[in-house]
Amino acid sequence: AQSVTQPDARVTVSEGASLQLRCKYSYSGTPYLFWYVQYPRQGLQLLLKYYSGDPVVQGVNGFEAEFIKSNSSFHLRKASVHWSDSAVYFCAVSATTNAYKVIFGKGTHLHVLP
Amino acid sequence: GALVYQYPRRTICKSGTSMRMECQAVGFQATSVAWYRQSPQKTFELIALSTVNSAIKYEQNFTQEKFPISHPNLSFSSMTVLNAYLEDRGLYLCGARPGANSDYTFGSGTRLLVI
Repeated sequence: AQSVTQPDARVTVSEGASLQLRCKYSYSGTPYLFWYVQYPRQGLQLLLKYYSGDPVVQGVNGFEAEFIKSNSSFHLRKASVHWSDSAVYFCAVSATTNAYKVIFGKGTHLHVLP
Repeated sequence: GALVYQYPRRTICKSGTSMRMECQAVGFQATSVAWYRQSPQKTFELIALSTVNSAIKYEQNFTQEKFPISHPNLSFSSMTVLNAYLEDRGLYLCGARPGANSDYTFGSGTRLLVI
């Protein structure tokens, strides 16, 4: 069965600092991987996704993530965060052969100090 | 662009009563609609997947008798929480997509509080 673990429920960083939000997945095959962001009182927005190819994928607003198969990880990074990046970030996985089902992690609440 | 609207944004219902929530896709055809629930302190759990002209597929622990879903056309879906109790509270999220190889577009969710 597929699963996603986001070990950090809450992360606080200062504006301008670099960021890494951790995500580990469990899936026996080659997964589709996603990062979503949820701003207050809004729906989920897709930040980036990995299907295949270059393991480093670029997303919106300067975010990127790296798929490391040997580590079953898909950590999200940003070189310099802005206060407006404060939100809840969800890592998600779906199977390539049963892609209707997207499995979400519990989310990481990012708080950026101005 | 592709947008998904959910309403109501939040609602309160008495224990044992039912509550209907709606999901509207704008700018694309919602061939498939997935309903998720995020209970307090938990992640999003898939309740069911509805595909137009196909049977609705419910996940384990969720049933049609408890969460009946309607998906009458390519822009609208609704789900009812029947006989709601405390454990049904949470954020109900609708995600829609035009086809199996497309990404989901999610709404803002309907937050259900049961008293």
